[in-house]
Amino acid sequence: AQSVTQLGSHVSVSEGALVLLRCNYSSSVPPYLFWYVQYPNQGLQLLLKYTSAATLVKGINGFEAEFKKSETSFHLTKPSAHMSDAAEYFCAVSDRRRDDKIIFGKGTRLHILP
Amino acid sequence: EPEVTQTPSHQVTQMGQEVILRCVPISNHLYFYWYRQILGQKVEFLVSFYNNEISEKSEIFDDQFSVERPDGSNFTLKIRSTKLEDSAMYFCASSESRDGYTFGSGTRLTVV
Repeated sequence: AQSVTQLGSHVSVSEGALVLLRCNYSSSVPPYLFWYVQYPNQGLQLLLKYTSAATLVKGINGFEAEFKKSETSFHLTKPSAHMSDAAEYFCAVSDRRRDDKIIFGKGTRLHILP
Repeated sequence: EPEVTQTPSHQVTQMGQEVILRCVPISNHLYFYWYRQILGQKVEFLVSFYNNEISEKSEIFDDQFSVERPDGSNFTLKIRSTKLEDSAMYFCASSESRDGYTFGSGTRLTVV
């Protein structure tokens, strides 16, 4: 069974600083990996996804993530944080079967300090 | 850009009542899902649906819950005899292939 562990339920960074949100996965088969963002009182928006093409994946709003099989990691980064990045971020995994669901991590709330 | 539409955005119901949450998936998608998020907690899988039948369901999805695709466009989640602990945000999602899930904006269910 797949699972996702997100390190840090809350992360605070200063505006303009590097954002690093950590995600480690567990999967018995090559996974698909996702990062979703949830702004307050809103739904889930896909930031980026890894589907076995390039290991460095670029997403929306300047975010990117790198798939590292040896470390079973899929950390999310952004070079320079903006106040509008404050939100909840969820890492998720699926095992590529045609009808499989995705499994979410517990989420990391990103706080941006002025 | 195609969207998954959920209605209503907020539903308040009395304990013991039945509610139906509605979703319109993206038209060419084949796989449908319901998830829920209790306030402040993680997003949990409830059920997946493909080819007019349930593909997989979680432990949460017991006899109190049912899903239906009554026509070519709607996908509904029915919760019978609601309990206080059913209060949550319920998300519908659809996908065309294995590498993309589009979520709706959710229905906030409040059981009083």
